[in-house]
Amino acid sequence: QSALTQLASVSGSPGQSITISCTGTSSDVGRYNLVSWYQQHPGKAPKLIIYEATKRPSGVSNRFSGSKSGNTASLTISGLQTEDEADYYCCSYAGSSSLVFGGGTKLTVL
Amino acid sequence: EVQLVQSGAEVKRPGATVKISCKISGHTLTKYYIHWVQQAPGKGLEWMGLVDPEDAEAVYAEKFQGRVNIVLDTSTDTSYMELSSLKSDDTAVYYCATVTQEYWSSDLWGRGTLVTVSS
Repeated sequence: QSALTQLASVSGSPGQSITISCTGTSSDVGRYNLVSWYQQHPGKAPKLIIYEATKRPSGVSNRFSGSKSGNTASLTISGLQTEDEADYYCCSYAGSSSLVFGGGTKLTVL
Repeated sequence: EVQLVQSGAEVKRPGATVKISCKISGHTLTKYYIHWVQQAPGKGLEWMGLVDPEDAEAVYAEKFQGRVNIVLDTSTDTSYMELSSLKSDDTAVYYCATVTQEYWSSDLWGRGTLVTVSS
């Protein structure tokens, strides 16, 4: 169960769009559409922002969108706002009732 | 309002065992898997394992296999995570969260429990 691969950091300016990628294998991201994304602000618990690769929970801004192609899932944040500055984690079902997280990406809004 | 309420911070010696609780309020645990996630200081989220409410069977990540025990007490709607043979690397915040069985995602998290392992 190796962690999913995410870039350590990404940055953008207010109003811009950024994309965070999450690369797994044919045993997790590539096999199941069960990819979720979490936003975590310092000192806080993670918050679900995308589930089933592309769906947004009620109450989550439509500036957040998800996609998946092959072994790679992506999170796009459009119209960046200062409050989007946080850590973002992908997570995939990996079979046999197990989950695997990505290493996390720190988003800086310049 | 549905919440997951975790027990308070712990300080343990190396080699000791810690047991953390996670109680759901405003709902019943029987509808969800409960999973536990470790986050070391300045590090990412690491999945530890989960417990299935239907049969109380637990599944563990390879990294923690043999050292972790996750149980569910349906009579009190409380899950417990026990981690043994503690080492300094286990100093971390431990989160419990519900896992929606259909989507394998977690929209309800506890606030986390800090465990400090120090001699």
